[in-house]
This record gives sequence, structure tokens and C-alpha cells, in this order.
Amino acid sequence: GQQVMQIPQYQHVQEGEDFTTYCNSSTTLSNIQWYKQRPGGHPVFLIQLVKSGEVKKQKRLTFQFGEAKKNSSLHITATQTTDVGTYFCAGPAGTSYGKLTFGQGTILTVHP
Amino acid sequence: DSGVTQTPKHLITATGQRVTLRCSPRSGDLSVYWYQQSLDQGLQFLIQYYNGEERAKGNILERFSAQQFPDLHSELNLSSLELGDSALYFCASSVVAGGSNEQFFGPGTRLTVL
Repeated sequence: GQQVMQIPQYQHVQEGEDFTTYCNSSTTLSNIQWYKQRPGGHPVFLIQLVKSGEVKKQKRLTFQFGEAKKNSSLHITATQTTDVGTYFCAGPAGTSYGKLTFGQGTILTVHP
Repeated sequence: DSGVTQTPKHLITATGQRVTLRCSPRSGDLSVYWYQQSLDQGLQFLIQYYNGEERAKGNILERFSAQQFPDLHSELNLSSLELGDSALYFCASSVVAGGSNEQFFGPGTRLTVL
């Protein structure tokens, strides 16, 4: 079945450093989504990428979708303590009705 | 606030017991998903319902079952509970229309099995 892998599993950074998490799918994706889960919270949708090679920015966050639509990345510039949490990528599971396959997530810790 | 509600927020029970978790999706969303998240673990997909019908099954144990009712709320039933079932259970919903399938998660139910 479809697999979505994320690396790294954990990332510790000093406040102000950059952070990147990578997502790779075993199959071509029609789109890819990113979610953030704060400690003690629930996953919250961040963004969806649809086009090959697409790049989208949200303030200090930059999301990329690979040309082959099998990989994606999330880059955070100059991390802040408010960035702590787990970042998940997710892709359609190949079936209809909206099921997603989530990556294992990258847990980001930001040290002040 | 995602618009997805889950009750109860916390549940403490004993091994061998049965519990029911409830989820109300966002208004207009037809699809409901259940996930299990253990400590520092990712989101393990359990089951999906769409407009009352089961659409996909993941790593759901036979001791677990779910259903979606005509008003679209969903319940996840966990029986013969074991210590390892202690986890955070999330419900999510999505509209599934026009290519948009972002999922909106509820606050979760934290289940503790003693």
C-alpha cells in the first residue's frame, strides 16, 4: 500500500535557526497537505499543494511540492518558540472520499 | 475551533471494559475519520465513514467498531479494553468535494485504561 515517510523524526533547534522537514511518498500524489499539531493539541491544517513544483509561502513557512509529485518539504526560517509542535504531511490514499495517508511526523523543539 | 466536537474529553476506565467515543463533524462535512495517537506516535488511521457508509479501514482491531448515524455524527466503540489501548483518539471530518479534502480535527478524547 501507499507509504508516506517523513524525516527527521525529531529536530531540536535554537530559536532563530532554520528548520526543514521532508516528506516522501511511495506513489505519485494528486496533492499533498501539511498539518501542525501543537503539544497537547490536535492537528491543524496548514496548506495544500497541488501542482508539480509548486511553492507556497506563509510568513516564515515555505512549502514545496516536488516536480514528480512524490515529495514535499516544509522549511521554517528563523524559528520561534511558537513553532514547536509536530508537523505532518499527508497525501490522498488513492481512494476517493478524502482518506489521507499521514507521515509519521517531525517533532520540532525550539530552545530559547 | 475546528467545528468538530468530540466527547468525552477524558475517559478513565478499567481493562476489560467497553467505552463509546462520540464525534460530531463540521456542519456540511459528510466524511468522518477516526485516528489513534499514542504517546509521541503519529496518527494511526482506524476507519472512515462517508455519508453513513464505511469507506475505508485501517489498523482497527476487531475489538473496535464504529458507525455513522443519519445525522452524520459518529461513534467509536472500544471493547475488551487493554492497557495498550490507552491513547488519544481523534475524530476528523472533511467535506470531500471539488478536490478539497483537508481534514478538520476535533480536540480528541484521551482514553486511559487502568
